[in-house]
Amino acid sequence: AQTVTQSQPEMSVQEAETVTLSCTYDTSESDYYLFWYKQPPSRQMILVIRQEAYKQQNATENRFSVNFQKAAKSFSLKISDSQLGDAAMYFCAYRSGGGSQGNLIFGKGTKLSVKP
Amino acid sequence: NAGVTQTPKFQVLKTGQSMTLQCAQDMNHNSMYWYRQDPGMGLRLIYYSASEGTTDKGEVPNGYNVSRLNKREFSLRLESAAPSQTSVYFCASSELAGTLGDEQFFGPGTRLTVL
Repeated sequence: AQTVTQSQPEMSVQEAETVTLSCTYDTSESDYYLFWYKQPPSRQMILVIRQEAYKQQNATENRFSVNFQKAAKSFSLKISDSQLGDAAMYFCAYRSGGGSQGNLIFGKGTKLSVKP
Repeated sequence: NAGVTQTPKFQVLKTGQSMTLQCAQDMNHNSMYWYRQDPGMGLRLIYYSASEGTTDKGEVPNGYNVSRLNKREFSLRLESAAPSQTSVYFCASSELAGTLGDEQFFGPGTRLTVL
């Protein structure tokens, strides 16, 4: 079974600085997708960024980028120029690339605080 | 375009009571999911429906039943609520499970407390 591990329960960053959130996963599959979701206090789950395992190029979305190391099974999220609105829980998630089951397997999350 | 909606937003039950959580999506998605989120945990899959007319168990299905009423609606039923089912419940939908770039869209969640 696949597992996702986020080893940092809490992180803190100064406004305008850069922070990196860690995620490792375990799988025997070669085809899969990885996601970072943001959950602000409103509880709404918001997709931040996603990565297809077959793509070597790291995904980027504005201030958010990932460092995807397939051999090491590592998928970290870098937030540049942190803003107060980035404060939230961040969840790393895995989805198998095969079959009809599209459910996500989540890590336990990292709570990010942004200091003004 | 409301996306994924869930009712109710909050609910308090007594042990042994039953209730149904409602979920609807207006994005014409084929696949729908029910997750639960407990403190200090990520979301865990309860049940999913890959397409209209099909449902399958996820990681934590015990104590729950689901109904895919039509393409838009996917309900979650607790027949006899237990305190261990106190959680926040999220419904999600996606266009077609297993396809490239399949993104799940989440509802706002239902906070359920079982006394």
